[in-house]
Amino acid sequence: AQRVTQPEKLLSVFKGAPVELKCNYSYSGSPELFWYVQYSRQRLQLLLRHISRESIKGFTADLNKGETSFHLKKPFAQEEDSAMYYCALSGGSGNTPLVFGKGTRLSVIA
Amino acid sequence: DAGVIQSPRHEVTEMGQEVTLRCKPISGHNSLFWYRQTMMRGLELLIYFNNNVPIDDSGMPEDRFSAKMPNASFSTLKIQPSEPRDSAVYFCASRRTGSPLHFGNGTRLTVT
Repeated sequence: AQRVTQPEKLLSVFKGAPVELKCNYSYSGSPELFWYVQYSRQRLQLLLRHISRESIKGFTADLNKGETSFHLKKPFAQEEDSAMYYCALSGGSGNTPLVFGKGTRLSVIA
Repeated sequence: DAGVIQSPRHEVTEMGQEVTLRCKPISGHNSLFWYRQTMMRGLELLIYFNNNVPIDDSGMPEDRFSAKMPNASFSTLKIQPSEPRDSAVYFCASRRTGSPLHFGNGTRLTVT
């Protein structure tokens, strides 16, 4: 079964502090992992996908198959990073649904 | 590209009424997904279509929920009759094979 676990419902950090949003997954094959961000009352937007290996808005995420994790990191948090972050997994063929974690609300305090 | 378009943005209705949510996927996308978002359960997949054909509706909570995709550019999610526990934000999303999922702005449904 596919499962995504985000252990923290809420994470509060001070502006300028490092951020790490945790994501662990369960999947027997080779998954594709994503991070989506949802700013207040807006649509979910793709932030990162692991196959791209890029940094968006200063965020990075590395797939660790040994630990089955895909943690999202940013060295210096900004107030505009405050949002809901969802980790998601896609397994199987190209158009199977994404399985989402329950999300972590990041609050960056000035 | 206008993105995935959902209507209405907000819907307030009384218990027992029929509710119809609408979605226009991005042109050229061949898969469409309906998700429900609540504080308690996060994002739940309700149903998805590939090439207009329903593939998996096991996430649809009850027979009161139904979804259709009559053509590649339109889908509806219907709740009849609606109940207060159906109150949530309903998202439609679409993708082309192998590409990331794109979400609409959602419909915030309140059933009183």
